[in-house]
Order: sequence, then structure tokens, then C-alpha cells
Amino acid sequence: AQKVTQAQTEISVVEKEDVTLDCVYETRDTTYYLFWYKQPPSGELVFLIRRNSFDEQNEISGRYSWNFQKSTSSFNFTITASQVVDSAVYFCALTHNTDKLIFGTGTRLQVFP
Amino acid sequence: DVKVTQSSRYLVKRTGEKVFLECVQDMDHENMFWYRQDPGLGLRLIYFSYDVKMKEKGDIPEGYSVSREKKERFSLILESASTNQTSMYLCASVTRGNPVMMNTEAFFGQGTRLTVV
Repeated sequence: AQKVTQAQTEISVVEKEDVTLDCVYETRDTTYYLFWYKQPPSGELVFLIRRNSFDEQNEISGRYSWNFQKSTSSFNFTITASQVVDSAVYFCALTHNTDKLIFGTGTRLQVFP
Repeated sequence: DVKVTQSSRYLVKRTGEKVFLECVQDMDHENMFWYRQDPGLGLRLIYFSYDVKMKEKGDIPEGYSVSREKKERFSLILESASTNQTSMYLCASVTRGNPVMMNTEAFFGQGTRLTVV
């Protein structure tokens, strides 16, 4: 069975702090895809990144970075120098080849000025 | 830009009513999905569709049905609304893509917050 676990329900930080959101996944498939989505207060989920199971390179995009480790089945997301606009619920998701996204329960990030 | 539009942001319905949630996408995507989002449970898949008139049950289809008469429109139907169906409903669409990169990102609508009283 496929499963995504986001153990952190809510995280609060002060602006400019770095913060890491954890994501642990379970799958029996050798080919799979991992995603991160951001859900701001407006409600719409915004795509952040997709990572293929055969590509373990870490990725950096501005203040965002992702650490994919197959050995620990983790796909963690780090925001460097957080800003108030980063406040949102963040979802990690998994799929193999059906386009059905299996979501974690989400982590609510609050960044205070 | 890909646009997925849900017909209502907020809905209040009475127990027993038949409720229609509409979703329209304008990018000719083959695959469309309905999720419901509840605190502490994340997003759970209700139904999905890979093509017109095709539908498959997701993880929590009970109490729901769907309709896909046109490629761009995917409707979620609550046959007889109940209070436990009070939730945020999210529609998503994704292109089937090529076999290697078929898992491109899904695009979501803004959500419909349904309250059943």
C-alpha cells in the first residue's frame, strides 16, 4: 500500500528562521513520483516540485530546497530565511503510474513577523 | 495558465438535499479528480475519471457519485447530503502526458467549502 506521513501537524517560526517540513513515504513500487504542494489561505493548492524515484539529486529553487533520500524513504522540504508569505499548509504527495495522488495530512506552517 | 474552476466557493445545504459540485478545466486534460479535505486527514480521493463517461472509485466513494459528460467538466454529486459530508472539496485535473513523464503535476481548483445543516 502507498502511504505518506507528515508527522508535523503545525510548525511556528519567526521570520528569517529556516524550517524543515518532513515527509516520509511508503510504496512497493520501484517507479514513483513525489510532490510538494502549498495551500495558502485562499485554498487553492499550488504545485511546488515533482521528484522521480530514479533521480535522487537534491533540488534548490530560491529559498526552497528538497532533500530526497530513498534509503530513509524521505522527501523533506526546507525553507531558508522564512517569510510571512510562506505561511500555509504544505502537503507532500506520492503517486506511481496512475496519476492518483496520495496525500499526507499536511503541515501547517505559521511564520510570525 | 491552466485554469481549474469550481462553481462555488461556499455552499450551505440541508440534510437530504441533492447537491451538485461542478468543476471545469480549460486545458484539455484527460484526467480529473475529486478530493475532500478534512483537518488531520489531508486530502482523500473520492472519485476520478480518465476520460469522458469513464469514472473510477477512489478511497471514499460512499455517498457520492460523479458525472463526466464532457472532457472539460467533472461533476461531483451528493445524492442525499448528510452532515458528515460537511467538508472542503477540491477538484484537480492533469494531462495524461507521455509514458515517461506521465506524472506531471495536478492543477487544483480553489475549493468548495460545503456545509450541510
